[in-house]
Amino acid sequence: SAVISQKPSRDICQRGTSLTIQCQVDSQVTMMFWYRQQPGQSLTLIATANQGSEATYESGFVIDKFPISRPNLTFSTLTVSNMSPEDSSIYLCSADRHNEQFFGPGTRLTVL
Amino acid sequence: GENVEQHPSTLSVQEGDSAVIKCTYSDSASNYFPWYKQELGKRPQLIIDIRSNVGEKKDQRIAVTLNKTAKHFSLHITETQPEDSAVYFCAASRAGYSTLTFGKGTMLLVSP
Repeated sequence: SAVISQKPSRDICQRGTSLTIQCQVDSQVTMMFWYRQQPGQSLTLIATANQGSEATYESGFVIDKFPISRPNLTFSTLTVSNMSPEDSSIYLCSADRHNEQFFGPGTRLTVL
Repeated sequence: GENVEQHPSTLSVQEGDSAVIKCTYSDSASNYFPWYKQELGKRPQLIIDIRSNVGEKKDQRIAVTLNKTAKHFSLHITETQPEDSAVYFCAASRAGYSTLTFGKGTMLLVSP
């Protein structure tokens, strides 16, 4: 399995501000993913981040709201922009290794 | 796009009993079906997966079966233990793609 870390683990933010979440993988991976998980709910894919190309967003998610960077094969960031209370959720990154997907510990975001 | 239905949403069993969770999928091109276990406040962890060239796969007390004709797959846990208590998610993805579509999850409660 892959070892994946995320920073911050949690944060409380004011509406209208932005937060950048970092995801680090212990070795090079081709594909990384960002998910959102509301309390008690399933995982919803936000976007797929490939190194050297723009992220691919799922229906309902747009780059202006969730800009993603993928500067190299071990790192990615997700920014939650212009936050509102509806953005309060857990954000998880994952990485594909040998066609299996492994998850980071998540970032618990609360927007006041 | 793919749609994954998961049942039941909650499952309560006595320690030592078996537990079965079922999922159906809509995209006949899907060929990879992982199962994740998520304990409260933790990241989803891959516990077993199956690919469409296999009908059944076992790993100790856990097994997964796949019926491609009917487009459904199931997770079987035998001799359940209290530490099996968690939310279990099934997922599906298509050949050549890494993006996973998740079911809504099953909360498994194992009583001592």
